[in-house]
Amino acid sequence: EPEVTQTPSHQVTQMGQEVILRCVPISNHLYFYWYRQILGQKVEFLVSFYNNEISEKSEIFDDQFSVERPDGSNFTLKIRSTKLEDSAMYFCASSLVEDTQYFGPGTRLTVL
Amino acid sequence: DAKTTQPPSMDCAEGRAANLPCNHSTISGNEYVYWYRQIHSQGPQYIIHGLKNNETNEMASLIITEDRKSSTLILPHATLRDTAVYYCIVRLTRGGNNRLAFGKGNQVVVIP
Repeated sequence: EPEVTQTPSHQVTQMGQEVILRCVPISNHLYFYWYRQILGQKVEFLVSFYNNEISEKSEIFDDQFSVERPDGSNFTLKIRSTKLEDSAMYFCASSLVEDTQYFGPGTRLTVL
Repeated sequence: DAKTTQPPSMDCAEGRAANLPCNHSTISGNEYVYWYRQIHSQGPQYIIHGLKNNETNEMASLIITEDRKSSTLILPHATLRDTAVYYCIVRLTRGGNNRLAFGKGNQVVVIP
């Protein structure tokens, strides 16, 4: 069964450094998403991406964040200058159309 | 998207059916009911969704009341691996925003 994959599974970085989280969505899917979950808190929507542009973003998704689909398979989330409060699990998801979203296993980001 | 209400936690006996309730009294006519679950800190896993009719798949059954103000997710034979946080989410699938709004969910513990 096709699935969403994410790399790395765990990323440790120093405050102020840039990080790129990578996702490979399900191959025929057209819509892509990032969510995050701070330890002990709810899963929060960050951004959705369709047709090579952001279709929706939350108030969390500020200028420090960016997304890109650099080729036909990868979907990336970049955090330009990480802060301590960016420490969280980051989940990528994809959907064929605007319906059921399928999630990857997540990347645990730890900012020191 | 309409708000949902779930119990914060419940226990279920292994091998028995688990009935997980959800209230969504402000649901509108074209909003779907989606169920996801999250096992420990893994990515949310899609279970099932429906609009008006009851639905069944290999994982679960979804019973939606006639007035659509509440629903029940049924896990027919709960196993220890079904221990997870279960999320009931109401959303449009076309023309609305694409985000999934996760609440705190229902922490379900399957007891041997």
